[in-house]
Amino acid sequence: DAKTTQPNSMESNEEEPVHLPCNHSTISGTDYIHWYRQLPSQGPEYVIHGLTSNVNNRMASLAIAEDRKSSTLILHRATLRDAAVYYCPWESEKLVFGKGTKLTVNP
Amino acid sequence: DVKVTQSSRYLVKRTGEKVFLECVQDMDHENMFWYRQDPGLGLRLIYFSYDVKMKEKGDIPEGYSVSREKKERFSLILESASTNQTSMYLCASSSGDRGPYQPQHFGDGTRLSIL
Repeated sequence: DAKTTQPNSMESNEEEPVHLPCNHSTISGTDYIHWYRQLPSQGPEYVIHGLTSNVNNRMASLAIAEDRKSSTLILHRATLRDAAVYYCPWESEKLVFGKGTKLTVNP
Repeated sequence: DVKVTQSSRYLVKRTGEKVFLECVQDMDHENMFWYRQDPGLGLRLIYFSYDVKMKEKGDIPEGYSVSREKKERFSLILESASTNQTSMYLCASSSGDRGPYQPQHFGDGTRLSIL
């Protein structure tokens, strides 16, 4: 079964970088790593995904370990609007969402 | 922008009723999904569909069925609602080939209470 391990919660200050870790130790070589976030009272929102190399987009950066057993979502400058639950699902057939990390951003 | 619309934000039904949750997407996506979300358990996949009239079981299909008669619409059916089906239900869609490689776009959810 596709399992991910994430911290239950993390805290950051506004304008500072945030590194959100995820362990996916049973991932295979062809499975993509995805990140989604869920703002209060909304459905999850896609953030970024990648396979082997690091990825950047307007929302965040994704750093993937060389052995692909872990990844880190990087928010370069946290804002109050980044406060959300962050998920890192993966699997080749379907995405399996764990419990996620609740990120609190302090002003 | 992709829009995934779920028919109700809040719904209250009684035990034993047949309940229909409707989801419509406006981007001609091939793939559609139904999840439920419960505190402490995250999102769990109930059913998904890669094409019209196709359906596949997710991780927790018991007590549910689905219908996809048109590409843009995916319905979740609770055949005989029970109190343990009280939950937040989320619909999602994605484009492209089978598989989760394409980003999924979610609706805002239906909070269903079974009394």
